[in-house]
Amino acid sequence: GALVYQYPRRTICKSGTSMRMECQAVGFQATSVAWYRQSPQKTFELIALSTVNSAIKYEQNFTQEKFPISHPNLSFSSMTVLNAYLEDRGLYLCGARVMGFQNTLYFGAGTRLSVL
Amino acid sequence: SQLAEENPWALSVHEGESVTVNCSYKTSITALQWYRQKSGEGPAQLILIRSNEREKRNGRLRATLDTSSQSSSLSITATRCEDTAVYFCADNTNTGKLTFGDGTVLTVKP
Repeated sequence: GALVYQYPRRTICKSGTSMRMECQAVGFQATSVAWYRQSPQKTFELIALSTVNSAIKYEQNFTQEKFPISHPNLSFSSMTVLNAYLEDRGLYLCGARVMGFQNTLYFGAGTRLSVL
Repeated sequence: SQLAEENPWALSVHEGESVTVNCSYKTSITALQWYRQKSGEGPAQLILIRSNEREKRNGRLRATLDTSSQSSSLSITATRCEDTAVYFCADNTNTGKLTFGDGTVLTVKP
């Protein structure tokens, strides 16, 4: 099956600092990557959708200035949370789409961000 | 607002019992998906049911889709403790976005 690894699994940062998280597709090529944030109440917010050879599309309330994303190849994506504050806490999930299975997202276990 | 909503918010059953989670959605969809998220893990797809399908099965799982009432259900038969998880429905739209509901917390007790 398709495997997606996210690193780190957990991170704590001081308010106002930044942290970078990574998403690695193992054994397949991800035609697109969707970054979500899951709140402690389990609700999902789509941050952005990154498709190979296309511009990254950010959802309302999320900007490139705050959540810059890098998607250099078909197996790797990274996202940085800049100037993190309490409201940025949550589980950041990376979901990858496999060529030929465009409707399905294969998720990693997420990066849990805590902000002090 | 969430485009897909599950109900009930939480369920508790004993092993071996059957359980059904419902989902309603508000927009035109190309497909409806059910995901399961166990503690400490990311969501994993269980079933994808397309807008022209009415029922889909995957082992002990059965999903239905009613486009006229914009609703779907996921039934699990012969539940096991390892079915304990949060169950989400997610709708595919023509934009390619996948929008998740708020989830139903299912607890299966021994």
